[in-house]
Amino acid sequence: ELKVEQNPLFLSMQEGKNYTIYCNYSTTSDRLYWYRQDPGKSLESLFVLLSNGAVKQEGRLMASLDTKARLSTLHITAAVHDLSATYFCARRGQGGSEKLVFGKGTKLTVNP
Amino acid sequence: SQTIHQWPATLVQPVGSPLSLECTVEGTSNPNLYWYRQAAGRGLQLLFYSVGIGQISSEVPQNLSASRPQDRQFILSSKKLLLSDSGFYLCAWSQGSSGANVLTFGAGSRLTVL
Repeated sequence: ELKVEQNPLFLSMQEGKNYTIYCNYSTTSDRLYWYRQDPGKSLESLFVLLSNGAVKQEGRLMASLDTKARLSTLHITAAVHDLSATYFCARRGQGGSEKLVFGKGTKLTVNP
Repeated sequence: SQTIHQWPATLVQPVGSPLSLECTVEGTSNPNLYWYRQAAGRGLQLLFYSVGIGQISSEVPQNLSASRPQDRQFILSSKKLLLSDSGFYLCAWSQGSSGANVLTFGAGSRLTVL
């Protein structure tokens, strides 16, 4: 059974600092996804990583995928308050399954 | 462009009452459709997903059911709600196994069972 684990689950950081959120998964598969959720809102897609070594960047966020280590990271550079949200990673199920399994999310708070 | 509609946005229901949440997708055909629930603890739990009409996979055995009466319509139902059914229900769609298969979520339905 595919398991997706994120850490940390809670992250409080100051504006201007850098930090990394980690996403580990238990079985090999393709396609790793990152989503953002603002309080009380739905989920918004940030990145999809399709293969080993894939790196995607958007503004102050950069996501990478290491399939050998079964690890994806979401790096935050020079955080700003607007990045405060909950970030989820998700992985497709085994055997070409169409279902996505989500981590528990990392609640990020960026303090001025 | 594709859009996903989900309703109602908010509802408060008594224990034992029925439930019907609806989700429709526009601008695409034969999408994969999903129902997730997010309880107060933040995690997303996959409830049902469907890769086509009449094909529904249930992930969590409970008092909820799902139906796909039309290609782009997905309905989540319950005959008798429990307190534990409270949560934020999210419908999502994707274009299938080809390509990136990114899930796009609806705005969500917040259910409170009293």
